[in-house]
Amino acid sequence: DSGVTQTPKHLITATGQRVTLRCSPRSGDLSVYWYQQSLDQGLQFLIQYYNGEERAKGNILERFSAQQFPDLHSELNLSSLELGDSALYFCASSPRGGGGNEQFFGPGTRLTVL
Amino acid sequence: TQLLEQSPQFLSIQEGENLTVYCNSSSVFSSLQWYRQEPGEGPVLLVTVVTGGEVKKLKRLTFQFGDARKDSSLHITAAQPGDTGLYLCAGEAASGTYKYIFGTGTRLKVLA
Repeated sequence: DSGVTQTPKHLITATGQRVTLRCSPRSGDLSVYWYQQSLDQGLQFLIQYYNGEERAKGNILERFSAQQFPDLHSELNLSSLELGDSALYFCASSPRGGGGNEQFFGPGTRLTVL
Repeated sequence: TQLLEQSPQFLSIQEGENLTVYCNSSSVFSSLQWYRQEPGEGPVLLVTVVTGGEVKKLKRLTFQFGDARKDSSLHITAAQPGDTGLYLCAGEAASGTYKYIFGTGTRLKVLA
Protein backbone atom coordinates (compact mmCIF):
# COMPACT_ATOMS: atom_id res chain seq x y z
CA ASP A 1 0.00 0.00 0.00
CA SER A 2 1.59 3.26 -1.21
CA GLY A 3 -0.52 5.48 1.03
CA VAL A 4 -2.05 7.24 -1.98
CA THR A 5 -5.78 6.78 -2.33
CA GLN A 6 -7.93 7.27 -5.40
CA THR A 7 -11.68 7.22 -5.82
CA PRO A 8 -13.63 5.83 -7.47
CA LYS A 9 -11.88 2.63 -8.49
CA HIS A 10 -14.13 2.14 -11.50
CA LEU A 11 -16.24 4.62 -13.43
CA ILE A 12 -18.53 3.90 -16.36
CA THR A 13 -20.15 6.80 -18.16
CA ALA A 14 -21.41 7.92 -21.55
CA THR A 15 -19.88 10.14 -24.20
CA GLY A 16 -20.40 13.83 -23.61
CA GLN A 17 -20.56 13.45 -19.84
CA ARG A 18 -18.32 14.97 -17.17
CA VAL A 19 -16.60 13.10 -14.34
CA THR A 20 -14.37 13.95 -11.40
CA LEU A 21 -11.58 11.73 -10.15
CA ARG A 22 -10.24 12.23 -6.66
CA CYS A 23 -6.80 11.64 -5.18
CA SER A 24 -5.46 11.91 -1.65
CA PRO A 25 -1.65 11.98 -1.46
CA ARG A 26 0.53 10.28 1.12
CA SER A 27 0.64 12.11 4.42
CA GLY A 28 3.18 14.91 4.19
CA ASP A 29 3.58 14.83 0.40
CA LEU A 30 3.10 18.22 -1.25
CA SER A 31 3.13 17.22 -4.91
CA VAL A 32 0.41 15.43 -6.81
CA TYR A 33 0.80 14.14 -10.36
CA TRP A 34 -1.87 12.85 -12.74
CA TYR A 35 -1.23 10.28 -15.47
CA GLN A 36 -3.28 8.60 -18.15
CA GLN A 37 -2.55 5.05 -19.26
CA SER A 38 -4.47 3.59 -22.18
CA LEU A 39 -4.58 -0.13 -22.90
CA ASP A 40 -1.06 -1.46 -23.46
CA GLN A 41 0.28 2.09 -23.57
CA GLY A 42 2.82 3.84 -21.45
CA LEU A 43 2.12 6.40 -18.79
CA GLN A 44 1.29 9.82 -20.17
CA PHE A 45 1.96 12.68 -17.79
CA LEU A 46 -0.98 15.06 -17.59
CA ILE A 47 -0.30 17.62 -14.88
CA GLN A 48 1.49 18.25 -11.59
CA TYR A 49 0.49 20.36 -8.60
CA TYR A 50 2.78 21.39 -5.80
CA ASN A 51 1.34 22.76 -2.58
CA GLY A 52 -1.80 23.99 -4.33
CA GLU A 53 -0.13 25.53 -7.37
CA GLU A 54 0.20 24.12 -10.87
CA ARG A 55 3.87 23.15 -11.35
CA ALA A 56 4.07 21.39 -14.71
CA LYS A 57 1.79 20.52 -17.57
CA GLY A 58 2.06 17.59 -19.89
CA ASN A 59 -0.22 16.33 -22.62
CA ILE A 60 -3.43 17.39 -20.94
CA LEU A 61 -6.39 18.12 -23.18
CA GLU A 62 -8.30 21.38 -22.83
CA ARG A 63 -11.37 19.32 -21.87
CA PHE A 64 -9.47 18.16 -18.78
CA SER A 65 -8.67 20.27 -15.75
CA ALA A 66 -7.31 19.66 -12.30
CA GLN A 67 -6.80 21.39 -9.01
CA GLN A 68 -5.17 20.79 -5.65
CA PHE A 69 -7.00 21.91 -2.55
CA PRO A 70 -5.62 23.39 0.71
CA ASP A 71 -5.74 19.95 2.35
CA LEU A 72 -3.56 18.78 -0.59
CA HIS A 73 -6.03 16.38 -2.08
CA SER A 74 -6.50 16.77 -5.83
CA GLU A 75 -9.27 16.35 -8.34
CA LEU A 76 -9.05 15.69 -12.06
CA ASN A 77 -12.08 16.83 -14.04
CA LEU A 78 -12.77 15.28 -17.42
CA SER A 79 -15.53 16.82 -19.52
CA SER A 80 -17.18 16.26 -22.91
CA LEU A 81 -15.96 12.70 -22.64
CA GLU A 82 -15.08 10.77 -25.77
CA LEU A 83 -14.62 7.04 -26.32
CA GLY A 84 -10.87 7.58 -26.54
CA ASP A 85 -10.78 8.91 -23.00
CA SER A 86 -11.33 5.39 -21.71
CA ALA A 87 -8.17 4.58 -19.76
CA LEU A 88 -6.61 4.06 -16.38
CA TYR A 89 -5.98 7.33 -14.59
CA PHE A 90 -3.28 7.28 -11.94
CA CYS A 91 -2.45 9.80 -9.31
CA ALA A 92 0.98 9.87 -7.69
CA SER A 93 2.45 11.93 -4.90
CA SER A 94 5.92 12.93 -3.82
CA PRO A 95 7.33 14.93 -0.92
CA ARG A 96 8.74 17.78 -2.97
CA GLY A 97 8.05 19.68 -6.17
CA GLY A 98 10.73 18.66 -8.60
CA GLY A 99 14.19 17.39 -9.15
CA GLY A 100 13.29 13.90 -10.24
CA ASN A 101 11.40 12.99 -7.16
CA GLU A 102 10.39 9.45 -6.41
CA GLN A 103 6.68 9.10 -6.89
CA PHE A 104 4.23 6.89 -5.08
CA PHE A 105 1.25 5.78 -7.10
CA GLY A 106 -2.33 5.18 -6.16
CA PRO A 107 -4.30 2.14 -7.35
CA GLY A 108 -5.84 4.07 -10.24
CA THR A 109 -9.32 4.83 -11.52
CA ARG A 110 -10.48 2.82 -14.50
CA LEU A 111 -12.68 5.02 -16.67
CA THR A 112 -14.86 3.45 -19.31
CA VAL A 113 -16.70 5.75 -21.72
CA LEU A 114 -19.52 4.06 -23.62
CA THR B 1 11.47 16.43 -26.88
CA GLN B 2 12.82 14.50 -23.93
CA LEU B 3 12.45 10.78 -24.43
CA LEU B 4 13.38 7.72 -22.47
CA GLU B 5 13.68 4.77 -24.80
CA GLN B 6 13.62 1.32 -23.26
CA SER B 7 14.77 -1.91 -24.84
CA PRO B 8 13.73 -4.54 -25.37
CA GLN B 9 10.04 -3.71 -25.58
CA PHE B 10 9.01 -7.30 -24.83
CA LEU B 11 10.92 -10.13 -23.22
CA SER B 12 9.81 -13.69 -22.55
CA ILE B 13 12.29 -15.92 -20.76
CA GLN B 14 12.45 -19.12 -18.77
CA GLU B 15 12.72 -19.17 -15.01
CA GLY B 16 16.36 -19.07 -13.93
CA GLU B 17 17.64 -17.04 -16.88
CA ASN B 18 19.33 -13.66 -16.57
CA LEU B 19 18.21 -10.53 -18.40
CA THR B 20 19.08 -6.87 -18.85
CA VAL B 21 16.72 -4.01 -19.63
CA TYR B 22 18.06 -0.73 -20.98
CA CYS B 23 16.84 2.83 -20.62
CA ASN B 24 18.43 5.43 -22.90
CA SER B 25 18.08 9.13 -23.54
CA SER B 26 19.88 11.95 -25.28
CA SER B 27 19.17 14.14 -22.25
CA VAL B 28 20.97 14.28 -18.93
CA PHE B 29 18.87 13.32 -15.92
CA SER B 30 19.43 14.50 -12.38
CA SER B 31 18.22 11.08 -11.25
CA LEU B 32 16.35 8.12 -12.62
CA GLN B 33 13.80 5.89 -11.02
CA TRP B 34 12.83 2.34 -11.93
CA TYR B 35 9.30 1.09 -11.34
CA ARG B 36 7.49 -2.19 -11.83
CA GLN B 37 3.82 -2.25 -12.75
CA GLU B 38 1.47 -5.21 -12.67
CA PRO B 39 -1.73 -5.28 -14.77
CA GLY B 40 -4.44 -2.95 -13.46
CA GLU B 41 -2.26 -1.57 -10.68
CA GLY B 42 -0.14 1.51 -10.21
CA PRO B 43 3.64 1.43 -10.73
CA VAL B 44 5.67 0.56 -7.67
CA LEU B 45 9.00 2.27 -7.09
CA LEU B 46 11.98 -0.11 -7.09
CA VAL B 47 14.99 2.19 -6.86
CA THR B 48 16.39 5.67 -7.47
CA VAL B 49 19.85 6.23 -8.95
CA VAL B 50 21.40 9.65 -8.59
CA THR B 51 25.14 9.63 -9.19
CA GLY B 52 26.73 8.90 -12.56
CA GLY B 53 28.20 5.40 -12.50
CA GLU B 54 26.18 4.42 -9.45
CA VAL B 55 25.27 0.77 -8.98
CA LYS B 56 22.48 -0.32 -6.64
CA LYS B 57 21.44 -3.85 -5.79
CA LEU B 58 18.04 -4.98 -4.63
CA LYS B 59 18.19 -8.74 -4.03
CA ARG B 60 18.45 -10.23 -7.54
CA LEU B 61 18.04 -6.85 -9.26
CA THR B 62 21.04 -4.68 -10.13
CA PHE B 63 20.54 -1.12 -11.30
CA GLN B 64 23.21 1.03 -12.93
CA PHE B 65 23.23 4.72 -13.85
CA GLY B 66 25.45 5.67 -16.77
CA ASP B 67 28.51 7.82 -16.16
CA ALA B 68 26.98 10.67 -18.18
CA ARG B 69 23.58 10.24 -16.46
CA LYS B 70 21.85 9.71 -19.81
CA ASP B 71 21.17 6.01 -19.51
CA SER B 72 20.46 3.27 -17.03
CA SER B 73 20.16 -0.49 -16.96
CA LEU B 74 18.35 -3.07 -14.89
CA HIS B 75 19.82 -6.57 -14.64
CA ILE B 76 17.84 -9.43 -13.15
CA THR B 77 19.68 -12.56 -12.09
CA ALA B 78 17.92 -15.95 -12.05
CA ALA B 79 14.53 -14.53 -13.01
CA GLN B 80 11.45 -15.90 -11.30
CA PRO B 81 7.78 -15.88 -12.39
CA GLY B 82 7.15 -13.26 -9.71
CA ASP B 83 9.37 -10.86 -11.66
CA THR B 84 6.77 -10.77 -14.45
CA GLY B 85 5.49 -7.26 -15.10
CA LEU B 86 6.03 -3.98 -16.89
CA TYR B 87 9.33 -2.31 -16.01
CA LEU B 88 9.48 1.45 -16.39
CA CYS B 89 12.32 3.89 -16.03
CA ALA B 90 11.45 7.51 -15.31
CA GLY B 91 12.96 10.81 -14.42
CA GLU B 92 13.09 14.53 -14.81
CA ALA B 93 15.67 15.96 -17.17
CA ALA B 94 18.37 17.98 -15.46
CA SER B 95 17.19 21.11 -17.28
CA GLY B 96 14.61 21.49 -14.53
CA THR B 97 11.41 21.58 -16.52
CA TYR B 98 9.59 19.74 -13.74
CA LYS B 99 8.14 17.43 -16.37
CA TYR B 100 8.53 13.91 -15.16
CA ILE B 101 8.64 11.45 -18.02
CA PHE B 102 8.33 7.71 -18.17
CA GLY B 103 10.16 5.37 -20.47
CA THR B 104 8.44 3.37 -23.15
CA GLY B 105 8.44 0.31 -20.91
CA THR B 106 9.69 -3.27 -21.06
CA ARG B 107 7.11 -5.98 -20.64
CA LEU B 108 8.73 -9.03 -19.03
CA LYS B 109 7.22 -12.48 -18.79
CA VAL B 110 9.04 -15.18 -16.87
CA LEU B 111 7.82 -18.68 -17.61
CA ALA B 112 7.91 -21.39 -14.95
